[in-house]
Amino acid sequence: AQSVTQPDIHITVSEGASLELRCNYSYGATPYLFWYVQSPGQGLQLLLKYFSGVTLVQGIKGFEAEFKRSQSSFNLRKPSVHWSDAAEYFCAVGALNAGNMLTFGGGTRLMVKP
Amino acid sequence: DAGVIQSPRHEVTEMGQEVTLRCKPISGHNSLFWYRQTMMRGLELLIYFNNNVPIDDSGMPEDRFSAKMPNASFSTLKIQPSEPRDSAVYFCASSLQGRGEAFFGQGTRLTVV
Repeated sequence: AQSVTQPDIHITVSEGASLELRCNYSYGATPYLFWYVQSPGQGLQLLLKYFSGVTLVQGIKGFEAEFKRSQSSFNLRKPSVHWSDAAEYFCAVGALNAGNMLTFGGGTRLMVKP
Repeated sequence: DAGVIQSPRHEVTEMGQEVTLRCKPISGHNSLFWYRQTMMRGLELLIYFNNNVPIDDSGMPEDRFSAKMPNASFSTLKIQPSEPRDSAVYFCASSLQGRGEAFFGQGTRLTVV
């Protein structure tokens, strides 16, 4: 069975600082990996996705993530955080052979200090 | 496209009442998912449909929960009878099989008192 672990429940960074959110997955085949962001009271918005090929993927809002098969990781990064990035971030692994069914990690809540 | 549309956005009901949540997926998408989000359990997949057929309902917590997809543009999630522990945000998502990413609606916040 597939699973996703986000080790950090909360992270606080200063505005302008760099950010890395960790994600580790377990999946029996080549994974399809996603990062979503959820602002309070809102649905989930896709930030970026990895299907195959280039392991460093670019997303919206200046985010990027790197797939590392040897570490079973798909960490999300941003060089300079803005106050508007404060939200909850979810990593997910998808099973394309099951209609894209996604399994989510527990989420990381990002707080940004001025 | 307007995206995935869920209604109502908020629902408050009394214990024992029937609750029906509605979802309109993105036109052309052939997979539909219902998720539940709570503080304790995070995002849980309840059921997934492909081409209007329920494929995996192993996440449906109890027989009180049922879901239907009578056509490609409409799905319902029903709870009968509702209980306070069903209080959560329920999300509907849709995707195009083979493309990977799922698009989420704004969610329905259900409160059972």
